[in-house]
Parts: sequence; structure tokens; C-alpha cells
Amino acid sequence: AQSVSQHNHHVILSEAASLELGCNYSYGGTVNLFWYVQYPGQHLQLLLKYFSGDPLVKGIKGFEAEFIKSKFSFNLREPSVQWSDTAEYFCAANTGGFKTIFGAGTRLFVKA
Amino acid sequence: DGGITQSPKYLFRKEGQNVTLSCEQNLNHDAMYWYRQDPGQGLRLIYYSQIVNDFQKGDIAEGYSVSREKKESFPLTVTSAQKNPTAFYLCASSPNIGMDRELFFGEGSRLTVL
Repeated sequence: AQSVSQHNHHVILSEAASLELGCNYSYGGTVNLFWYVQYPGQHLQLLLKYFSGDPLVKGIKGFEAEFIKSKFSFNLREPSVQWSDTAEYFCAANTGGFKTIFGAGTRLFVKA
Repeated sequence: DGGITQSPKYLFRKEGQNVTLSCEQNLNHDAMYWYRQDPGQGLRLIYYSQIVNDFQKGDIAEGYSVSREKKESFPLTVTSAQKNPTAFYLCASSPNIGMDRELFFGEGSRLTVL
């Protein structure tokens, strides 16, 4: 079955630390990939997305993700996290239809 | 402002009662979705609608029903047949442009069954 796996369920970092959240998907064909973020008390919103072209995509607040087709991965990176990055992060995949599959989510807590 | 409005934000229901969650969008998007969010399980698709008067079951449609009579509206009914209805429900929409399925979400409705 098609699936999206996120490697870490909970991550705790200090401010200025680097962040990498792992995401793997199980689709074999063309896939569109997304990272969504849910800040405390706010609605889920898009952080960044990959469609085609440059496999390194940049999103809001300095986040970036790299699509590595050979590894079926789309890991999210942030070189220096801030307290305001505390949120839950979801990786998601879509093969062009109307069913987007989400990972279980990673809760990030950044200590000030 | 353009966006998605869900109501109510919080809802309590007794076992055996049906409840309807409202979702309205003014983004002029063709497609609309209902997801259920449970801790540690991410988002799971309940139903989706590509266009008015059409909708399809998602991965966990049992115990739920929807309608799509207007482009702007996609209400979800949680019926008494849903065995574990306590959850956070998210409505979303997306434009129907090529393969882009970026989702725009509402703020969610939290349903608690007493």
C-alpha cells in the first residue's frame, strides 16, 4: 500500500541547532511531495512542496527539503531553528490524483 | 479574506447521535476534502469531492457521509455508526490545476463523544 513514513515522532532541540526531519514515501512513479506545518493553535499550512525540476526546494522561514528519488526521500532541513519553529510537521505525498497521503507527523519542540 | 471556515470549533455529542460539521470555502476551489487527525496517526482521508454533486470515499469513510450541493460547501455528517468518532476533523480544498494538489486547510472542528 502507498504510505509516507516520518522517522521521528518527537524532536527536542535548543535554539540555533540544526534540524533534519526524515520522510520516506512508497510510491514508485511520479510523485508530488509536501511538508505542512501546524503551529500551536493555528491551522495546518504549507511549508514547501516539490513538483518537478530542482530537487532542492525552499520554503518559508528558511526551511528547505531535498527530493532524492533513488532513496524515496524528502527530508526537511533547517540550519538554525528558533523557538517559534515549535510545531508539528507533516510530510505528505500525492501522485496527481485527489488522495494525498500524510505521514504520522513529527512534533518539534525548540527550547529557548 | 479568502479561506476555509469550519464550524463549530468544538462539539460535544452523546453516543447514538448524528452530528454535522460545516465547511465553507471562498477560494473558488473545485476540490474539497475531509480529513481526520488523531495523535500519532497523521491525517487520514474520509471523503473528497472533485466537483459539485460528486464525491468519493477516502480511506476511512465508514460511519461518515457528505454532500456537495454547492461549490463552496462540503458538510460532513458523523453518524452513530462511526465507532470511534472523537477526533479532530479538518476540511481542506485545492485548486484543480494540473497535478498541483496543494491543500488549504480550515482551523478544524474537535468532536468529543460523551
